[in-house]
Amino acid sequence: EVQLVESGGGLVQPGRSLKLSCAASGFTFSNYGMAWVRQTPTKGLEWVASISTGGGNTYYRDSVKGRFTISRDNAKNTQYLQMDSLRSEDTATYYCARWGNTLFDYWGQGVMVTVSS
Amino acid sequence: DIQMTQSPASLSASLGETVSIECLASEDIYSYLAWYQQKPGKSPQLLIYAANRLQDGVPSRFSGSGSGTQYSLKISGMQPEDEGDYFCLQGSKFPLTFGSGTKLEIK
Repeated sequence: EVQLVESGGGLVQPGRSLKLSCAASGFTFSNYGMAWVRQTPTKGLEWVASISTGGGNTYYRDSVKGRFTISRDNAKNTQYLQMDSLRSEDTATYYCARWGNTLFDYWGQGVMVTVSS
Repeated sequence: DIQMTQSPASLSASLGETVSIECLASEDIYSYLAWYQQKPGKSPQLLIYAANRLQDGVPSRFSGSGSGTQYSLKISGMQPEDEGDYFCLQGSKFPLTFGSGTKLEIK
């Protein structure tokens, strides 16, 4: 059974950093691209970033480019999202998702990130 | 960015009724489209990919169609468990973009 489990969320002040992790199991992690998607009641679902199978190619939405870094460790079956210079508008539930030909076929349960002073 | 205009925003249907949800892309997305269902407090679940391919385990009452810029999701025979929010997603071009969602309720 495919499982994606996010961790690392929480309350953080504006301008500070947070690192999310997503532990994957139930499939050959290194065969799939991975992604982060966030959701808020006002903006809905937003794709944040994607990473290729080997980690050599990364893609970001403009509003997080230069502040967020997606990475993965295929030996640990884990992907990460390093979030720096956080802003209030980054407040959201962040989902880890498996990315392939079917787009996002499996999602984690989500982790809450709140940016507030 | 490709804009995905989803309609309607909300929909109320009787049990057994057939319902349709539409997504209009601002440019051709070459069938790189997926549909998701989301229940309250849960993560989205994939229903349809490549515009018309049913994800494994999804009931056959769900179907997708469309091409170019116009796509639709049809539920043939509304069931109680079909209540929830539905979203489309285009995967043709970065940034990947979602529709704004349709809230489907039982009448």
